[in-house]
Amino acid sequence: LAKTTQPISMDSYEGQEVNITCSHNNIATNDYITWYQQFPSQGPRFIIQGYKTKVTNEVASLFIPADRKSSTLSLPRVSLSDTAVYYCLVGDKVPGNTPLVFGKGTRLSVIA
Amino acid sequence: DVKVTQSSRYLVKRTGEKVFLECVQDMDHENMFWYRQDPGLGLRLIYFSYDVKMKEKGDIPEGYSVSREKKERFSLILESASTNQTSMYLCASSTGLAGVIIYEQYFGPGTRLTVT
Repeated sequence: LAKTTQPISMDSYEGQEVNITCSHNNIATNDYITWYQQFPSQGPRFIIQGYKTKVTNEVASLFIPADRKSSTLSLPRVSLSDTAVYYCLVGDKVPGNTPLVFGKGTRLSVIA
Repeated sequence: DVKVTQSSRYLVKRTGEKVFLECVQDMDHENMFWYRQDPGLGLRLIYFSYDVKMKEKGDIPEGYSVSREKKERFSLILESASTNQTSMYLCASSTGLAGVIIYEQYFGPGTRLTVT
């Protein structure tokens, strides 16, 4: 079971770029890396998913080094509305022997 | 837009009661999930289902059961509610056939259950 480790919390000022790193040392060959965002009193929302190198969409970028033992979610120019909990997930198949593990996430606080 | 709805936003039940939490999705998704979320513990998977009448245990299935009689509906059952089951319960669904890579999960708004 691929376990992930993230910082518990981070603070940032508005307009800054925020990078949240996730460690997944025992990631398997078939595992993908997925990030979710959760606002208070809401369910998590998918942000981005990748397998290797770099993935970018309108919301964020995901950087994955060659050994895939970690990944970095990059949020460009954050605003107050980006204050949320961010979860890193690693897994491949559903069903299978790899249940989805959200973990505790990283609580990002954006300050004006 | 994908919509996942849960039967109640807030629910208060007594210890020992049988509790049903209902989840419905409107996107013909194969996979459905039940999580609970507690402060400091993140989201933990209770059960998931990849097809009608199929179910798989997640990390914390004890004290819970599930039912999936129709593709769009996934029910979580607390056979005899206890105070340690007071929590936020989140349902999710995703497309994808059995054995295929994880697809994007869509979550419902959650049900905050209090057992007294």
